[in-house]
Amino acid sequence: ETGVTQTPRHLVMGMTNKKSLKCEQHLGHNAMYWYKQSAKKPLELMFVYSLEERVENNSVPSRFSPECPNSSHLFLHLHTLQPEDSALYLCASSQDQQGYTGELFFGEGSRLTVL
Amino acid sequence: AQSVAQPEDQVNVAEGNPLTVKCTYSVSGNPYLFWYVQYPNRGLQFLLKYITGDNLVKGSYGFEAEFNKSQTSFHLKKPSALVSDSALYFCAVRDNTNAGKSTFGDGTTLTVKP
Repeated sequence: ETGVTQTPRHLVMGMTNKKSLKCEQHLGHNAMYWYKQSAKKPLELMFVYSLEERVENNSVPSRFSPECPNSSHLFLHLHTLQPEDSALYLCASSQDQQGYTGELFFGEGSRLTVL
Repeated sequence: AQSVAQPEDQVNVAEGNPLTVKCTYSVSGNPYLFWYVQYPNRGLQFLLKYITGDNLVKGSYGFEAEFNKSQTSFHLKKPSALVSDSALYFCAVRDNTNAGKSTFGDGTTLTVKP
């Protein structure tokens, strides 16, 4: 079992739907991240949370709304998405954020298809 | 700004032969360098990292990487490739002055043929 669990693994939604992606880490880490991985594009950092506070928001459209209720859980709420938002959404965690020298721990990803 | 370049989209090697996946980086401070591997429909898995110390670092599954400060490179190597090594490989850099933000390369697809 991976230390970072993402659900659902696959999601198909229409442009008018509202859905959420969930991430849970069992590693006792203090920082959590959302990345977007699209075909033929580099990995894009979307949001960073450190100790439940959002520390980075990389110009992500407002149709993506993150939530971090505690240090173990991270959500990505989705509404009125566009077909170009179809991608693999990866959650990651790390022991700390600033000054950290260790690696990121990734979940298996949520494959999102927007029709 | 920090950046990572993986100059090869695709690397093909025969099983049993040595493999190299190239990575060069640019940072303003001391670099923290990482390699990750991604198998189809999976998340990224950590392979190895360079923080400080010996320039040759060893990691999971027999992989190693050599840090070269003068050439700003961190190439991933393995003496004898396996078919099961076929995957997408990402190099990443974190600058210790950049609030812990990681920058990833575009990835290199490694194909090992029997």
